[in-house]
Amino acid sequence: GAVVSQHPSRVICKSGTSVKIECRSLDFQATTMFWYRQFPKQSLMLMATSNEGSKATYEQGVEKDKFLINHASLTLSTLTVTSAHPEDSSFYICSALLAGSTDTQYFGPGTRLTVL
Amino acid sequence: SQQGEEDPQALSIQEGENATMNCSYKTSINNLQWYRQNSGRGLVHLILIRSNEREKHSGRLRVTLDTSKKSSSLLITASRAADTASYFCATFNNDMRFGAGTRLTVKP
Repeated sequence: GAVVSQHPSRVICKSGTSVKIECRSLDFQATTMFWYRQFPKQSLMLMATSNEGSKATYEQGVEKDKFLINHASLTLSTLTVTSAHPEDSSFYICSALLAGSTDTQYFGPGTRLTVL
Repeated sequence: SQQGEEDPQALSIQEGENATMNCSYKTSINNLQWYRQNSGRGLVHLILIRSNEREKHSGRLRVTLDTSKKSSSLLITASRAADTASYFCATFNNDMRFGAGTRLTVKP
């Protein structure tokens, strides 16, 4: 089956630093990727929809200047958490929508971010 | 924002028993999917049911969908301790939205 990777799988950083998370579709093209955040013992919350070559669409309440999303190619989207603070500590999961499909979506394994 | 709700929030059963989880949603959908997540891990896709389908089976899993009531159910038969996990329904219509999840504990 199709594979989506995320890098890094786990990151610990100091408060105030920026962290970049990569999401790659390894064996298929994805014109659309999604970014989710999951706090402990909670469900996944959609943060933004990332479309290749255009600006991301952010969900209400998600700061676009804090969570920078770049979807530069059909196989790569990046999420940069800028000036991270402890409250940004969370599990970040991306998913990729198979190009040409309207509902075939594959999830990455997630990135655990801990901000000290 | 989340699409819907699941109930129960937590379910504890004995091995061998059946587990039923319900999911309700608010808007029209293209399809509904069920996922499993072990603590601190990624998502495991279980089953996808399209809006024009009413029931689907996969091994010990049975999913139903009632679009008139905007609800779905996931039945796990003959549960095993290894089924212990959180289960989420997710609706897809241009993007995917997750329910709150059900935490299932299967006691050996």
